[in-house]
Amino acid sequence: DAGVTQSPTHLIKTRGQQVTLRCSPKSGHDTVSWYQQALGQGPQFIFQYYEEEERQRGNFPDRFSGHQFPNYSSELNVNALLLGDSALYLCASSWRGHVAFFGQGTRLTVV
Amino acid sequence: SQQGEEDPQALSIQEGENATMNCSYKTSINNLQWYRQNSGRGLVHLILIRSNEREKHSGRLRVTLDTSKKSSSLLITASRAADTASYFCATDSLVSGGGTSYGKLTFGQGTILTVHP
Repeated sequence: DAGVTQSPTHLIKTRGQQVTLRCSPKSGHDTVSWYQQALGQGPQFIFQYYEEEERQRGNFPDRFSGHQFPNYSSELNVNALLLGDSALYLCASSWRGHVAFFGQGTRLTVV
Repeated sequence: SQQGEEDPQALSIQEGENATMNCSYKTSINNLQWYRQNSGRGLVHLILIRSNEREKHSGRLRVTLDTSKKSSSLLITASRAADTASYFCATDSLVSGGGTSYGKLTFGQGTILTVHP
């Protein structure tokens, strides 16, 4: 079992650009959540996908959007990047909202 | 926004000593979980304690929960250098009307634990 896999591991983007991060959940999991972790902080919930729909959302602007595919994999899209979007983006998968398993994250740097 | 505070922010001990980390939270919860993070990478789930439980053990880990004080503690006994990491508490909060939050986690700011060989 490969666990939760995220790609890419590192990414550098310029302000104003758009970025797409990808996540493959652990086998058997149907729910994917995305978190943003700024340096020195705890992760903050962005949103959660279940049955290909956004089930709930944290306090993030509409520039943050996502998608879940029929195979339960997910994408996180961020438009109009700001310097403050620089962070570690973590994907977590679970079965029906039970214990979450996290991927290794994508380190996004906006310059 | 963060759920609450973790205390201490940083802890430095020698191998073999015990490490205690505390977590406070603000809302009513379904459960509280502890995670470990090595070098700013992925989070590893350590233990989950439900709101109707007061204490739970897993190997060298002992977690307590006091819902009246909205606080929890994580004790790591006989620490090892490999325990060096950041530790986070995360709450799965009750939703108004008694519904589930479907596993939406609210994290504290974490405790950085350093265990010296």
